[in-house]
Amino acid sequence: QKEVEQDPGPLSVPEGAIVSLNCTYSNSAFQYFMWYRQYSRKGPELLMYTYSSGNKEDGRFTAQLNRASQYISLLIRDSKLSDSATYLCAIQGAGSYQLTFGKGTKLSVIP
Amino acid sequence: DAEITQSPRHKITETGRQVTLACHQTWNHNNMFWYRQDLGHGLRLIHYSYGVHDTNKGEVSDGYSVSRSNTEDLPLTLESAASSQTSVYFCASSESDRAETQYFGPGTRLLVL
Repeated sequence: QKEVEQDPGPLSVPEGAIVSLNCTYSNSAFQYFMWYRQYSRKGPELLMYTYSSGNKEDGRFTAQLNRASQYISLLIRDSKLSDSATYLCAIQGAGSYQLTFGKGTKLSVIP
Repeated sequence: DAEITQSPRHKITETGRQVTLACHQTWNHNNMFWYRQDLGHGLRLIHYSYGVHDTNKGEVSDGYSVSRSNTEDLPLTLESAASSQTSVYFCASSESDRAETQYFGPGTRLLVL
């Protein structure tokens, strides 16, 4: 079993929709949980990170972590055309600087 | 502004040739990483370094090598390029005390014929 599994998509949603992107992980020792966004032909960029169970909000984005069930999700509200990108979840183990990435979910927001 | 750059941005080479991809960061970060990104596999770690003269193997290190002679640079060498190494390569760096935030370069698209 891969350490982190991510719904592959692709997803296509209309503008204004609410989108939920999900990942599960297999090792309960993981410490930090990140969401990266990658536009076509660009490098990934950090969107949000969290380390405690519950929700963390940043504008239209909410990162959710459930340690008991070992899953993380990213909620995007009021989707915009500029949200069209691939979203990668990533996890970091305690005492490690390495990240393990999910395979990514390609999101398209259509007019 | 501090940044991370990669060169070349595109490269075509032949099987068996040695290829070196450059990565340069101006943040003075201790941690540097090389990934490859392929359809169906996502980002996979090739090699990483936590400081000068430190190098470590990642998940897919066979056929690749790195060396770290200064803080700013981590070149990735393909000793004898193979068609299976056709991919997009990303370099990244992070601070030791903010390791959850990795900053990625723009990527190098490598085609091995």
